[in-house]
Amino acid sequence: DADVTQTPRNRITKTGKRIMLECSQTKGHDRMYWYRQDPGLGLQLIYYSFDVKDINKGEISDGYSVSRQAQAKFSLSLESAIPNQTALYFCAPAWDKYEQYFGPGTRLTVT
Amino acid sequence: GQQLNQSPQSMFIQEGEDVSMNCTSSSIFNTWLWYKQDPGEGPVLLIALYKAGELTSNGRLTAQFGITRKDSFLNISASIPSDVGIYFCAGHPTNAGGTSYGKLTFGQGTILTVHP
Repeated sequence: DADVTQTPRNRITKTGKRIMLECSQTKGHDRMYWYRQDPGLGLQLIYYSFDVKDINKGEISDGYSVSRQAQAKFSLSLESAIPNQTALYFCAPAWDKYEQYFGPGTRLTVT
Repeated sequence: GQQLNQSPQSMFIQEGEDVSMNCTSSSIFNTWLWYKQDPGEGPVLLIALYKAGELTSNGRLTAQFGITRKDSFLNISASIPSDVGIYFCAGHPTNAGGTSYGKLTFGQGTILTVHP
């Protein structure tokens, strides 16, 4: 358990709006990951970071950006939200080993 | 990119029955993980496996890292209604380098329904 907090837990926004999803963890994990999950589908990696100065694109980074403000905080931004970005978003911190500990998620709806 | 084939896609069982699901890969993996996701929640790590042949239990759950390093299975014994959810396998390829390093590959999930 990584003591992961994601805010907001639910958000409804309009097309074209900028929105930020925040993630924080209390266990000092170096690595942090952002995933997207569409209804009935698996997990797709958006961005990941191995430490504060390291940011890497995942499989579906277009339309998203991230900021690793501190070891404990990793934020995901949608610069101009579109309806097909409606999904569940999960943050997952990890140790150097590959065990990732998922947060409770943010349910985002773009109208 | 890497793909994991997870089967079955869904299972409908009676309470008390045993359950078995598996994941296979075309590549060799050095890590296998099993997660459970309840509706609307984040996946929870159940078991992590790091050695070929390793057999690890967590309560009524048992998972094994296949000898070939290309597969893993998860068994649930004596299922109960709270076992309902989606079970995901995930793994890290052995020879992952560059842009693949540190990234897990996930299966598509097995949806488990348990009838009382």
